[in-house]
Amino acid sequence: GAGVSQSPRYKVTKRGQDVALRCDPISGHVSLYWYRQALGQGPEFLTYFNYEAQQDKSGLPNDRFSAERPEGSISTLTIQRTEQRDSAMYRCASSLGGRETQYFGPGTRLLVL
Amino acid sequence: AQSVTQLDSQVPVFEEAPVELRCNYSSSVSVYLFWYVQYPNQGLQLLLKYLSGSTLVKGINGFEAEFNKSQTSFHLRKPSVHISDTAEYFCAVNPLRGGSNYKLTFGKGTLLTVNP
Repeated sequence: GAGVSQSPRYKVTKRGQDVALRCDPISGHVSLYWYRQALGQGPEFLTYFNYEAQQDKSGLPNDRFSAERPEGSISTLTIQRTEQRDSAMYRCASSLGGRETQYFGPGTRLLVL
Repeated sequence: AQSVTQLDSQVPVFEEAPVELRCNYSSSVSVYLFWYVQYPNQGLQLLLKYLSGSTLVKGINGFEAEFNKSQTSFHLRKPSVHISDTAEYFCAVNPLRGGSNYKLTFGKGTLLTVNP
């Protein structure tokens, strides 16, 4: 079946612009996660949804970052007033439940100029 | 809190040679352990995982890893590598219990380059 999909795959934006990154999880997966991976680093946790409820947003770096999953399926990670330090690979993952194996999408590479 | 250390950032090897990618972790609670692989221009793919039971875990593409609780290690091995194994490999853990048992903590990754 289809895996986790993310769009866009690449995004170049100018500093100060808002960006929205989309994640479409595997069908039937109730848990969804966002991670951020800087160059030369491993992925770092941003936020976690169980169905439509955002259970943990402790990894979001500041209030410019927000995420939603209004119908318990597709999720959007929004970064307002982007800064150059926001440049990274943003990864989405989904799982059957909160303690189940996480399956990752291809990621969105964001470059802020 | 958990932390993961991958001791080698880059490992170059020749085709058909054996390889070991090292991973050590630190945690105050028991953890599940994972190896993920990222091939060029692709997403992270699960290679293998240790949840419980036998400490030797076999994964896809001929890889295996051994959990050593006393040394807090989970090294990844393959007896004979192929060019197609060239990729970045990430070790990760998440806690068995507690409020954040869904949260994966990753190492920085090891770039395996297999040369002909």
